[in-house]
Amino acid sequence: EAGVVQSPRYKIIEKKQPVAFWCNPISGHNTLYWYLQNLGQGPELLIRYENEEAVDDSQLPKDRFSAERLKGVDSTLKIQPAELGDSAVYLCASSSEGSDTEAFFGQGTRLTVV
Amino acid sequence: DQQVKQNSPSLSVQEGRISILNCDYTNSMFDYFLWYKKYPAEGPTFLISISSIKDKNEDGRFTVFLNKSAKHLSLHIVPSQPGDSAVYFCAASVRGSQGNLIFGKGTKLSVKP
Repeated sequence: EAGVVQSPRYKIIEKKQPVAFWCNPISGHNTLYWYLQNLGQGPELLIRYENEEAVDDSQLPKDRFSAERLKGVDSTLKIQPAELGDSAVYLCASSSEGSDTEAFFGQGTRLTVV
Repeated sequence: DQQVKQNSPSLSVQEGRISILNCDYTNSMFDYFLWYKKYPAEGPTFLISISSIKDKNEDGRFTVFLNKSAKHLSLHIVPSQPGDSAVYFCAASVRGSQGNLIFGKGTKLSVKP
């Protein structure tokens, strides 16, 4: 069974440019998460989806970040415009229903803003 | 204010010996705890978990201990192997929040042959 798939693996852009990341969760997983991981830190939640509904986006900087999961399967995370401080690894994870279920992570997208 | 703290950024252990990684939390509402392992350039992979109704969970070489009164958990790896060298993240959640995981900063484990 395929795991969580993210693309691209690496992205280098100039500041003020837009960028988008894509995530395909594990088949059958209703819950999808986007996490941000800065160097030397643990992952921090940006947004959580239950099917197509964003149930927790309190940590998403909405002035420049947006996300969508239109059909309740794959998801995109967009930054427009990117800033130097957005350089980080963006991780997607998914989990199945139930209170004691772990989240499975993709390999992440490493974004470098120059 | 960090709700999940891993105060040791790194740990070095000899192959075959026990590795003990520690984690403290401040939010008494947390009732589910997980350990993730991360290799460079890969995403975190789930290792082991424990719910607050237990004080120990064992899976092969890995055992997690939970001390609710001290708000402390630890991961024991015995015997340690060079392939265990990675960054280990402690994470916690409140079940009612349907799995919003709060992560610590991680501890880098090096197991020397």
